[in-house]
Amino acid sequence: DTEVTQTPKHLVMGMTNKKSLKCEQHMGHRAMYWYKQKAKKPPELMFVYSYEKLSINESVPSRFSPECPNSSLLNLHLHALQPEDSALYLCASSLAGGSTDTQYFGPGTRLTVL
Amino acid sequence: QKEVEQDPGPLSVPEGAIVSLNCTYSNSAFQYFMWYRQYSRKGPELLMYTYSSGNKEDGRFTAQVDKSSKYISLFIRDSQPSDSATYLCAPCGDSWGKLQFGAGTQVVVTP
Repeated sequence: DTEVTQTPKHLVMGMTNKKSLKCEQHMGHRAMYWYKQKAKKPPELMFVYSYEKLSINESVPSRFSPECPNSSLLNLHLHALQPEDSALYLCASSLAGGSTDTQYFGPGTRLTVL
Repeated sequence: QKEVEQDPGPLSVPEGAIVSLNCTYSNSAFQYFMWYRQYSRKGPELLMYTYSSGNKEDGRFTAQVDKSSKYISLFIRDSQPSDSATYLCAPCGDSWGKLQFGAGTQVVVTP
């Protein structure tokens, strides 16, 4: 099983809403990532968790709050977002987060902020 | 200057042609070079992975890295309509496996 699943597939929210994105993998990977991808742009790294600890935060605004409850799950909590935060949010996982570890991507959650 | 430069295309080729894609980069610390393929409305998937300079072949795909000129290439032989996608180069050089994606080149293979 080399699948990373993400829910929901689509999400529309207002600027005052609180919502969460969910990512799950059962490959025994210990590194998990959140990326943001705008239309016709490459993915931009937001956060990296390694062994359930936050290891990289790419200066992401605090309205995005990641959480790694266990080694298989990764959440991204959203609050008070702006319309410019509308994008495809991709989750990825890799064996241990090293340079040679393949990152497996999920299909993404397409987020629209009204 | 961006760390990784890649022509966004689109690149349109007839079925059966050779597709040639390339990236340039500026960071000498990059040691690992990945190519990802992304279909519309899907997440990226790893196509090829090369360490340091050299060539690597996998079926119809060949990846080349020239570290002296900081130039990365991907060739697709006998292209098929199913190869129509965006191809992203992604060098990596740090211990956290942080990928530096290029802009991605959109490839369209016409029957």
